[in-house]
Amino acid sequence: DAGITQSPRHKVTETGTPVTLRCHQTENHRYMYWYRQDPGHGLRLIHYSYGVKDTDKGEVSDGYSVSRSKTEDFLLTLESATSSQTSVYFCAISLDRGETQYFGPGTRLLVL
Amino acid sequence: QKEVEQNSGPLSVPEGAIASLNCTYSDRGSQSFFWYRQYSGKSPELIMFIYSNGDKEDGRFTAQLNKASQYVSLLIRDSQPSDSATYLCAVNRLGSNDYKLSFGAGTTVTVRA
Repeated sequence: DAGITQSPRHKVTETGTPVTLRCHQTENHRYMYWYRQDPGHGLRLIHYSYGVKDTDKGEVSDGYSVSRSKTEDFLLTLESATSSQTSVYFCAISLDRGETQYFGPGTRLLVL
Repeated sequence: QKEVEQNSGPLSVPEGAIASLNCTYSDRGSQSFFWYRQYSGKSPELIMFIYSNGDKEDGRFTAQLNKASQYVSLLIRDSQPSDSATYLCAVNRLGSNDYKLSFGAGTTVTVRA
């Protein structure tokens, strides 16, 4: 998985609780991304980062926030989880803008 | 209109045959094109990318790009049971702020022995 780890790999939580997912890379790639994958929708971009403390929104960013305090770590936070956020979350990295993206192993999140 | 469209399948092919996967995209400004393979319960893994019109071959895989028709395809020759997976087409274009990679919903391929 191109030196990308995600934690936790599985999580069950309750509606209304905060959840933080972590993506860690050892490749020193500039760009990092968070996607969610749902049946029938494919992969949709939530947020991405183009450097430390530099982030921007994707197409499905509502209800999510991100932070990147170090090159290697990109955190995705669900401030108050809802059942509609039940999904598989993938982190991806790319060396630079427009370059090939490589994916982490994913996190399965179930919000009850 | 979706930015990237693929036939969802399933596409069933006999072992040893050629599997042909198609992908169309809506933005003429799209610049680079990727095919990912995703096994059930796993993450997408890159098979190949293509930037220029024409064919690009890598082992048993051939990507074909036709920008005029806004069409990219993937051929899998000598299909093996291990090729059974969902194949994602992804298209990269420069948006208002930065590059945006848009994915199709994927085509599920089943190679029957």
